[in-house]
Amino acid sequence: QVQLVQSGAEVKKPGASVKVSCQASGYTFSDYGISWVRQVPGQGPEWMGWISGYNGDTKYTQKLQGRVTLTTDTSTRTAYMELRSLRSDDTAVYYCARDQKYSVNWFDFWGQGTLVTVSS
Amino acid sequence: DIQMTQSPSSLSASVGDTVTITCRASQDISSLLNWYHQQPGKAPKLLIYAASSLQDGVPSRFSGRRSGTDFTLTISSLHPEDFAIYFCQQYYNAPYTFGQGTKLEIK
Repeated sequence: QVQLVQSGAEVKKPGASVKVSCQASGYTFSDYGISWVRQVPGQGPEWMGWISGYNGDTKYTQKLQGRVTLTTDTSTRTAYMELRSLRSDDTAVYYCARDQKYSVNWFDFWGQGTLVTVSS
Repeated sequence: DIQMTQSPSSLSASVGDTVTITCRASQDISSLLNWYHQQPGKAPKLLIYAASSLQDGVPSRFSGRRSGTDFTLTISSLHPEDFAIYFCQQYYNAPYTFGQGTKLEIK
């Protein structure tokens, strides 16, 4: 069965960086992409970016351009999201979700979420 | 950015009722719209993709329709596990935006 397992909760100070991992199993990693979505409790989700598991192509929301980097390690079937220059309004639950290989479409399987708290 | 506006923001209903949630896009997005629901403390779950296609494993009491820039999700004969928050999401243009959510509560 398809599973996405994310790394654990993080607490960071403003200005620091965080890197969240997402290990995939139960499907051919290179046949799909991974999108990252974050959600502040009580608000709607926010799409952050997408990476192809096939060729590493990426697409980012302009809002986070320059602060976020998505990467994959196909040997371990793991996707990574790094967010730099953290601010208090980056406090949210971060999800990885399986997406399509060539573009963003729909998110059919999700990780369990990783709470990132940014606080001095 | 494309704005997705859901209505109502909350809705009370009983087990067995039929309910409809609406999502309006700020511009034409063709049929490039998905629906999810989310239980407290859990990740969202895909219900409908491409406006009207039922995701594998999702009960047939869920259905989606498009009329221009208005999209509806209808849930027939509500089950207890359907009480959750519902989100729409467009994938026509980046950034791929979600609606603000509709909370479906038990009456």
